[in-house]
Amino acid sequence: KQEVTQIPAALSVPEGENLVLNCSFTDSAIYNLQWFRQDPGKGLTSLLLIQSSQREQTSGRLNASLDKSSGRSTLYIAASQPGDSATYLCAVKGGGFKTIFGAGTRLFVKA
Amino acid sequence: NAGVTQTPKFRVLKTGQSMTLLCAQDMNHEYMYWYRQDPGMGLRLIHYSVGEGTTAKGEVPDGYNVSRLKKQNFLLGLESAAPSQTSVYFCAISGDGETQYFGPGTRLLVL
Repeated sequence: KQEVTQIPAALSVPEGENLVLNCSFTDSAIYNLQWFRQDPGKGLTSLLLIQSSQREQTSGRLNASLDKSSGRSTLYIAASQPGDSATYLCAVKGGGFKTIFGAGTRLFVKA
Repeated sequence: NAGVTQTPKFRVLKTGQSMTLLCAQDMNHEYMYWYRQDPGMGLRLIHYSVGEGTTAKGEVPDGYNVSRLKKQNFLLGLESAAPSQTSVYFCAISGDGETQYFGPGTRLLVL
């Protein structure tokens, strides 16, 4: 059974700092991995999708990497801003249509 | 969350009552999903649909039923609500591109 873990559960950084969020999964037979952002009381917003054949994806200040063999993905946020404060979730899709989500990392960027 | 709407936004039920949550999309995507989100547990898939007229069970289907009579709508029903079904319910859609797009959520409190 696929399990997805995100560490740390919460993170507080000063504005301008570069940071890395971690996601690990137990079954390397994945179809894709997706990173989401969730603001309090809101739905999830897709940030990046990495197919199993890809190593990384970039969008603006965000870069996500995927290492299937080690069961890890990282989300790198450059030059963090207070507006980046949110909960970040990773989700792993395996066979079929089932996607397994991590519990998320709550990020707070201090001005 | 543009393109995916959920009705209602918030609801309070008494144990044993029934209700239907509606998800509507205007993106013409084939796949639709219902998730529940509980503190510390991430999102868990309840049911999903791969097209009009089809539905399938996800990770936590017990106590819920679904229907997809029209491509743009996916309904989630609770026949006899229980306090354990207090949660935030999210609908999501995806197409061939695999990226999942989420609705704003429905907060359900069962007393």
